[in-house]
Amino acid sequence: GAVVSQHPSWVICKSGTSVKIECRSLDFQATTMFWYRQFPKQSLMLMATSNEGSKATYEQGVEKDKFLINHASLTLSTLTVTSAHPEDSSFYICSAPRASGVNDEQFFGPGTRLTVL
Amino acid sequence: QKEVEQDPGPLSVPEGAIVSLNCTYSNSAFQYFMWYRQYSRKGPELLMYTYSSGNKEDGRFTAQVDKSSKYISLFIRDSQPSDSATYLCALSPGGTSYGKLTFGQGTILTVHP
Repeated sequence: GAVVSQHPSWVICKSGTSVKIECRSLDFQATTMFWYRQFPKQSLMLMATSNEGSKATYEQGVEKDKFLINHASLTLSTLTVTSAHPEDSSFYICSAPRASGVNDEQFFGPGTRLTVL
Repeated sequence: QKEVEQDPGPLSVPEGAIVSLNCTYSNSAFQYFMWYRQYSRKGPELLMYTYSSGNKEDGRFTAQVDKSSKYISLFIRDSQPSDSATYLCALSPGGTSYGKLTFGQGTILTVHP
C-alpha cells in the first residue's frame, strides 16, 4: 500500500529556534499534501494545504509566517515552525491523497512530535 | 457548535463484544465519510470510507451513514484486544476540497481480554 513518511519522528528544541519537518510520499506523487496538528487527547486540526509549485493555503487562525510550508517536489512537502515556543509543542501529521480513479484515499504519515522547551 | 461531534469516551468493552461508535455533524456540505483508527503516537489509519447513505461492510467493521439525520456510525463485531485504539470519524465536502478533512474528537476504545 501507499506509504507516507515523516522525518523526524520526534524533536526537542529550545524556545526561539526553528524546526523543519519533512513529509514524503514514498510510492506515489502528490501535488497536494495536508498538514494537521493534534494536541494531547484532542483531534486533528487542519493547518494548511500544501500545493506543489505554488503557495500553501492556510486555515483560519494559522499564522503563515510562523508555519512555513514548501512543496518543492511531487513527493516532498516541508513544514518549518519558525521561532518555536512551548505552545507550539504538539503532534504534527501530514497526509497525502493518492488518486485511485474511484476516490482519493488519504494516507497519513506517522506524525512528528515536537516539544519546545 | 462544533461541525463534527463525537463522544470521546473512553469506552471499555470485553473481548468479543459489539462496539458502536458514532458521530453527528451539522454541515450538509459533507459528502464523504471516513473512519480512521489511531494508535498512540501514530498517524491515523483508514478503516472505512463511504459516500452515500446506507451500510458498508468490511470484515468485522460496518460503517453506517444517515445523511438525513447527519449521523454516522461504525460497528465493530467480535472486538479484539488489538482493536484498542482511538477511533476518529472524518468528513469531507468532496470536490476540490476533498482532502480537507474535518475530524471528530475521537473515541478511545479499550477491549480487555
